Amino acid sequence: ETGVTQTPRHLVMGMTNKKSLKCEQHLGHNAMYWYKQSAKKPLELMFVYNFKEQTENNSVPSRFSPECPNSSHLFLHLHTLQPEDSALYLCASSRDPGQLSEKLFFGSGTQLSVL
Amino acid sequence: GQSLEQPSEVTAVEGAIVQINCTYQTSGFYGLSWYQQHDGGAPTFLSYNALDGLEETGRFSSFLSRSDSYGYLLLQELQMKDSASYFCAVGQNFVFGPGTRLSVLP
Repeated sequence: ETGVTQTPRHLVMGMTNKKSLKCEQHLGHNAMYWYKQSAKKPLELMFVYNFKEQTENNSVPSRFSPECPNSSHLFLHLHTLQPEDSALYLCASSRDPGQLSEKLFFGSGTQLSVL
Repeated sequence: GQSLEQPSEVTAVEGAIVQINCTYQTSGFYGLSWYQQHDGGAPTFLSYNALDGLEETGRFSSFLSRSDSYGYLLLQELQMKDSASYFCAVGQNFVFGPGTRLSVLP
């Protein structure tokens, strides 16, 4: 148990569906991250939030829409996805963004399949 | 931006020593980190280097040379449970390398 919880663990959706991934951290951290992991691009950084503010958008298509209502919760809203978006989506958190010796704590991920 | 290179696969036998290399390019250096990920699991933190030299944590050690933009993870007394993927990461926002899949054979 890393203190970072992701739901759902598995998600199957059609290309016209709208769904959301949820991440919650119980570590008192100030930064949260979304990563995409697939066979082609392992651990690809998508978004970073520091103190609820988005500080990184790694050229992610607009069909992925993040939301960070507070430092403990992070969402990834999905709409009109493509089959190539099928991947493991990992959430992570860290305590003090930009500090040396920072560690990432990962959730178990959501395995997404787009049909 | 950042970019990292790692070997894609490494194979070794139980009890052996293996070294996984990582070369990187980064615009701002915040240290070099290493993470382990077992199949079906989440990545977990292993080691971190901010300064040149060797950091030892039990059977695992990590080395950094900032002048060479190079580091490695050293795994000693390999065990079957060490079979996993290993990722190096740099940058303020933790950009990861492509990962090295380690297979430990009996």
